[in-house]
Amino acid sequence: GIQVEQSPPDLILQEGANSTLRCNFSDSVNNLQWFHQNPWGQLINLFYIPSGTKQNGRLSATTVATERYSLLYISSSQTTDSGVYFCAVSPSNNDMRFGAGTRLTVKP
Amino acid sequence: NAGVTQTPKFQVLKTGQSMTLQCAQDMNHEYMSWYRQDPGMGLRLIHYSVGAGITDQGEVPNGYNVSRSTTEDFPLRLLSAAPSQTSVYFCASSYIHLAEAFFGQGTRLTVV
Repeated sequence: GIQVEQSPPDLILQEGANSTLRCNFSDSVNNLQWFHQNPWGQLINLFYIPSGTKQNGRLSATTVATERYSLLYISSSQTTDSGVYFCAVSPSNNDMRFGAGTRLTVKP
Repeated sequence: NAGVTQTPKFQVLKTGQSMTLQCAQDMNHEYMSWYRQDPGMGLRLIHYSVGAGITDQGEVPNGYNVSRSTTEDFPLRLLSAAPSQTSVYFCASSYIHLAEAFFGQGTRLTVV
């Protein structure tokens, strides 16, 4: 099956710093989504981005489907950005495969 | 809008017991799915449904059953709980499969 690799696995930032999270996938996909899991366990959809670039406030994402990767940019990080960021992809069938996540800690 | 609602939030079971995790959505979504999340891992798909009356297996279906009698509800049944099923379970829904997914708050299940 498709492999989804996220890097880095852990990231510690000082408040105000910028960061880039990466998601590589091993096969073509029809869908790619980025999620944030907050420290209370809630999963929030950040971006639905099978291709192209999207921005939402301090967050933006770019997916280059032909090269099988996606990037999530976080600018001017805040302590509330802490948590785990997951990339999830949908191959041609009906499932969705998640990466192992990047655990982000933003220190005040 | 309540979105996706899961009950219960916490549950402790003894090995061999059965139970049903409830999931309901009020967004008229066709696609619903169940995932489990184990420590340090991403979510793994257990079962999914593309519409009422239609279900299929995901990546880790063994030990779990589902049914989809209505668009709104997608319960997950554990037939005979095992310690390996200790996990956090998430239900999700989307308008169709290839659309933005919304997750419930999760059910933390411990099997002793």
